[in-house]
Amino acid sequence: GAGVSQSPSNKVTEKGKDVELRCDPISGHTALYWYRQRLGQGLEFLIYFQGNSAPDKSGLPSDRFSAERTGESVSTLTIQRTQQEDSAVYLCASSFQGAGSTRETQYFGPGTRLLVL
Amino acid sequence: AQSVSQHNHHVILSEAASLELGCNYSYGGTVNLFWYVQYPGQHLQLLLKYFSGDPLVKGIKGFEAEFIKSKFSFNLRKPSVQWSDTAEYFCAVIAYNTDKLIFGTGTRLQVFP
Repeated sequence: GAGVSQSPSNKVTEKGKDVELRCDPISGHTALYWYRQRLGQGLEFLIYFQGNSAPDKSGLPSDRFSAERTGESVSTLTIQRTQQEDSAVYLCASSFQGAGSTRETQYFGPGTRLLVL
Repeated sequence: AQSVSQHNHHVILSEAASLELGCNYSYGGTVNLFWYVQYPGQHLQLLLKYFSGDPLVKGIKGFEAEFIKSKFSFNLRKPSVQWSDTAEYFCAVIAYNTDKLIFGTGTRLQVFP
């Protein structure tokens, strides 16, 4: 597609339930990133994929958060046993190359707005 | 740890006024710098970026930013704002040996006609 797409655009869930968020990067982009934006705060890095491997998971806030990427394309971010503090907009970005000396621009998707009741 | 500070949280201007949004980062090594913009109801878009070379970079819609290494700053400027510039502006930094963008908390700009 022309840009990064994410689904669902909005998700309301009950505390304790699991949720899965999906990201489709720009075709051919090897690097994929997940960020979280809580209300009134800046973007917070969660995890980065280069191809299908995740060299940097340092931003995942707890072991309830996990992510995977398959086929160097689609990625899913899973939050288990959701808590109210997980409510945020979850943003995905992709870039042509993430590793090495060249830092390519990251292009962002529209985000998934998650509300945990 | 790397961090990015945006000192102006909310800026209100009239059309044709000049704009300068501050951005400072904390990292002593080589960095790449970005300004992203998020218009109401839209997703983050790249406004401009600095990788190397001329420290004065020009972006879309008449925006420019100047990288001043000695001040660890990358302030965003526009000589004459328009109502359509109403948006949230985020400064971001990537350190040379990492691949994650560190974002500032954002500046909300409101421009009144």
